[in-house]
Amino acid sequence: GQQVMQIPQYQHVQEGEDFTTYCNSSTTLSNIQWYKQRPGGHPVFLIQLVKSGEVKKQKRLTFQFGEAKKNSSLHITATQTTDVGTYFCAGWDNYGQNFVFGPGTRLSVLP
Amino acid sequence: GAGVSQTPSNKVTEKGKYVELRCDPISGHTALYWYRQSLGQGPEFLIYFQGTGAADDSGLPNDRFFAVRPEGSVSTLKIQRTERGDSAVYLCASSSFPLAGGRTDTQYFGPGTRLTVL
Repeated sequence: GQQVMQIPQYQHVQEGEDFTTYCNSSTTLSNIQWYKQRPGGHPVFLIQLVKSGEVKKQKRLTFQFGEAKKNSSLHITATQTTDVGTYFCAGWDNYGQNFVFGPGTRLSVLP
Repeated sequence: GAGVSQTPSNKVTEKGKYVELRCDPISGHTALYWYRQSLGQGPEFLIYFQGTGAADDSGLPNDRFFAVRPEGSVSTLKIQRTERGDSAVYLCASSSFPLAGGRTDTQYFGPGTRLTVL
């Protein structure tokens, strides 16, 4: 079945440093969504990417969907302590059969 | 309503007991989803409803799990003969439009119910 992986599993950065998490799917994705979950909280939708090679920006966050639609990345510029949390990617496979979340990347930001 | 609500927020039960978890979606949202999230893991899809019907229940782990949405709004996830392995946070989400062959809509998650089976 479809598998979605994320690397790294954990990332500790100093405030002000950049951060990137990568999402890789074993199958081609129809689209991909990114969610953020704060410690003790629930997932909150960040963005959806649909087109091959698509790049979207939200302030300090940059999201990219790979040309082959099998991978995606989230890059945070100049991290802040408010960026702390776990970032999940989630995708719908190209056959419309499965909607799967990745295991997440947990980000810690040291002040 | 203002958002997705779930009750109870915490549920502790004994192995073998029956539990019901409730989800109140955002008013007007046709699609409702149940996920299970274990510590350190991403949400695991269980079932989703489009209106009153279960459009996809392929994620339910076994026949001890069942969910209903009789009037197309509130949903109840029912777990029979609970096992220790059922312990997790059960998340509910709703969206305006359902998942449909690659077309997805923003899912709004509730705060979850933390189930502990002793």
